Amino acid sequence: GDSVTQMEGPVTLSEEAFLTINCTYTATGYPSLFWYVQYPGEGLQLLLKATKADDKGSNKGFEATYRKETTSFHLEKGSVQVSDSAVYFCALGGAGGGNKLTFGTGTQLKVEL
Amino acid sequence: NAGVTQTPKFRILKIGQSMTLQCTQDMNHNYMYWYRQDPGMGLKLIYYSVGAGITDKGEVPNGYNVSRSTTEDFPLRLELAAPSQTSVYFCASSGGQREGSKLFFGSGTQLSVL
Repeated sequence: GDSVTQMEGPVTLSEEAFLTINCTYTATGYPSLFWYVQYPGEGLQLLLKATKADDKGSNKGFEATYRKETTSFHLEKGSVQVSDSAVYFCALGGAGGGNKLTFGTGTQLKVEL
Repeated sequence: NAGVTQTPKFRILKIGQSMTLQCTQDMNHNYMYWYRQDPGMGLKLIYYSVGAGITDKGEVPNGYNVSRSTTEDFPLRLELAAPSQTSVYFCASSGGQREGSKLFFGSGTQLSVL
């Protein structure tokens, strides 16, 4: 079945550092790929998405490119801020019905001054 | 802008008790979902619904039941609570017919079974 593998956290960075959170997937067909973010005490929010190979999703300075050849969707940001501290989830939308998503285990990011 | 509303936010149950987690959305979404989030395990789909009167099992449905009598509401029922059901529960909804539409999440219910 479909699966998503994320790098384990926590990831601790200094403010203005470069961020990469790795995500790879296994899926049949051509899924859509997502990054969701969860701030403390809140539900998940969509951060960005890409629906086909070579698409780049971007939002709030974060970017991720759908790489079919490496089955990856790594999240990057050039300069993180303390306010980016959160848990980041990679997810894929499968080929089956019901619009269901399969999530990775999440990566906690801590940004320090 | 209420979005997806879950109640309660916190609950402690004794083993064998039952309860219903409430979820309602005001976006007229057809799709609704219940996920549980365990530490280090990501989110697992419990049940989902593609419209009023239609529900289906997700990845981890055992010990739970759902109903979808209206478009707005999608309650999750625990009949005989067990410690393994200690988790954070998230309800979500989506309006898209095609794959990969955006999910809107509630703020979660933290449940402890002791």
